[in-house]
Amino acid sequence: GENVEQHPSTLSVQEGDSAVIKCTYSDSASNYFPWYKQELGKRPQLIIDIRSNVGEKKDQRIAVTLNKTAKHFSLHITETQPEDSAVYFCASLLGGSQGNLIFGKGTKLSVKP
Amino acid sequence: EAGVVQSPRYKIIEKKQPVAFWCNPISGHNTLYWYLQNLGQGPELLIRYENEEAVDDSQLPKDRFSAERLKGVDSTLKIQPAELGDSAVYLCASSSRHNPSYNEQFFGPGTRLTVL
Repeated sequence: GENVEQHPSTLSVQEGDSAVIKCTYSDSASNYFPWYKQELGKRPQLIIDIRSNVGEKKDQRIAVTLNKTAKHFSLHITETQPEDSAVYFCASLLGGSQGNLIFGKGTKLSVKP
Repeated sequence: EAGVVQSPRYKIIEKKQPVAFWCNPISGHNTLYWYLQNLGQGPELLIRYENEEAVDDSQLPKDRFSAERLKGVDSTLKIQPAELGDSAVYLCASSSRHNPSYNEQFFGPGTRLTVL
């Protein structure tokens, strides 16, 4: 079946450094790629998303890039802060499904003060 | 705007017992999803509703799991009988085609199920 691979599974950075999380998807018909942040014991919350007609999207310290040819997309967090510590999930919308998201296994980001 | 509401937040049961989870989506959201999230994993879709119709239940283990959304608003997910391997967080999410970001799914806080 279709899947999304996410790397790394854990990431530790110093406060102020940048963090990059990468995902690869298999369904070439996917056209929507959200990123969710999940703090311990809480609900996943959308932090940024990108559609296939755009190569990059930025929102303050967070940016997402998409390479459709290579079927890669990445999350970039600059000037990390301790409150960025959480588990981040990438996902892709299954082509033609109109709603089925396939999630990666998550990246646990730790930002050390 | 109130978010997706789920209850209970926590449930502990013994194996072979039945259990039910309830979800109230964001008002006006026609699409409702039930996900299963195992520890250290991403959410996995169990079933997707468009209004009251289950349009994708291919990942729902139908021998023990059932779901309903009778009036196209609230939904209930049931497990009968529960097994040890069902211990997980059950997440509900909703979305609306009328939103500018129509693919965005809003998640509830989840129900953490522990089967002993």
